[in-house]
Amino acid sequence: AQSVSQHNHHVILSEAASLELGCNYSYGGTVNLFWYVQYPGQHLQLLLKYFSGDPLVKGIKGFEAEFIKSKFSFNLRKPSVQWSDTAEYFCAAARPGYSSASKIIFGSGTRLSIRP
Amino acid sequence: DTAVSQTPKYLVTQMGNDKSIKCEQNLGHDTMYWYKQDSKKFLKIMFSYNNKELIINETVPNRFSPKSPDKAHLNLHINSLELGDSAVYFCASSQPNSVNTEAFFGQGTRLTVV
Repeated sequence: AQSVSQHNHHVILSEAASLELGCNYSYGGTVNLFWYVQYPGQHLQLLLKYFSGDPLVKGIKGFEAEFIKSKFSFNLRKPSVQWSDTAEYFCAAARPGYSSASKIIFGSGTRLSIRP
Repeated sequence: DTAVSQTPKYLVTQMGNDKSIKCEQNLGHDTMYWYKQDSKKFLKIMFSYNNKELIINETVPNRFSPKSPDKAHLNLHINSLELGDSAVYFCASSQPNSVNTEAFFGQGTRLTVV
């Protein structure tokens, strides 16, 4: 079955620390991968996405993620976090094309708390 | 210009009532979704419609009935509300093709059943 796993439930960092959030997916064949961010009380916003090509993807606000096909991973990174990065982060995956398999499946989310 | 809009943003109601949440997208997308986010922030797909046709129904109680009058709208009607229905409900839309499945989300509707 298709699934997305995020193993870090809650990460606490100090400002300026480096961040890496883990994400593993279980999909056969071609897959689209996403990281969404949800700031407190707000809706989901897309941070970055991978469809094909360069496995290192750069997103908004200094975030990047690396697609490693052999490890079925799509980890999110940021070299230096800020207090404003405090939010819930969701990894997600979907199969391209028009079908029921194109639904986006989300991981369980990682809460990131940044100490000022 | 809001791409995906939901109303209402907050909804507080008593057990047993019937309520509806509306969603509209102005992106010209063919596919719309309803997701439920529980108190632990877990996001689970409920329904997906492609051009007014139901394509995904993920083991949701039949008290929940989606309706898509046209491809720009996907409303969610809930009958006989229960305490466990309290959650944030997100509408989303996308235009899946051979490459891209990116979804755009609405602001969410926080439903509280008392």
